Amino acid sequence: DQQVKQNSPSLSVQEGRISILNCDYTNSMFDYFLWYKKYPAEGPTFLISISSIKDKNEDGRFTVFLNKSAKHLSLHIVPSQPGDSAVYFCAASAFPTGTYKYIFGTGTRLKVLA
Amino acid sequence: KAGVTQTPRYLIKTRGQQVTLSCSPISGHRSVSWYQQTPGQGLQFLFEYFSETQRNKGNFPGRFSGRQFSNSRSEMNVSTLELGDSALYLCASSSDQRITDTQYFGPGTRLTVL
Repeated sequence: DQQVKQNSPSLSVQEGRISILNCDYTNSMFDYFLWYKKYPAEGPTFLISISSIKDKNEDGRFTVFLNKSAKHLSLHIVPSQPGDSAVYFCAASAFPTGTYKYIFGTGTRLKVLA
Repeated sequence: KAGVTQTPRYLIKTRGQQVTLSCSPISGHRSVSWYQQTPGQGLQFLFEYFSETQRNKGNFPGRFSGRQFSNSRSEMNVSTLELGDSALYLCASSSDQRITDTQYFGPGTRLTVL
């Protein structure tokens, strides 16, 4: 039972354009969400997070949007750069902690074309 | 500050053997989590240790076990290896038990079971 879903395994975007990565979740108890970026042969790197009390969080070129009613979050990267090419994982958690600390999606491979 | 380190980086074993993986968290971090990453499955949570105690556990068989030492270093053991255990094993550390703490990942140990 995949509680956190990233339905697009891959995405290609032109340099300078917007990249939108999507994530859906099923557990209404989740109240904290994160995005991680992963390059080959490296561990995931924390990118940005959002608490369920907010609907938007911005950090430079990265913005995460949360739609609780739709149980959907998205990561916007503007403008996209070739160095953003990586696999992006969304993760969710509930407080107080249940069985898991974070539940991760299966990842979306972003390719930014120069 | 040094990041999360994992040893060894690569490991090849045969079915039926056992293996021990090691993780040294960021200095001062007391929480260590382990994840298994396989193609198409994202990061699957194995377990989390905090102050030498297993605090959370994922849905993995008893062949997967772990422990944490007083210096917060952690080891993960897999006994009676199966072909399906081939994966990238990642460990992540965070500073304390608040759920909003960012997890910092190591580079992972790539385990291949022949």
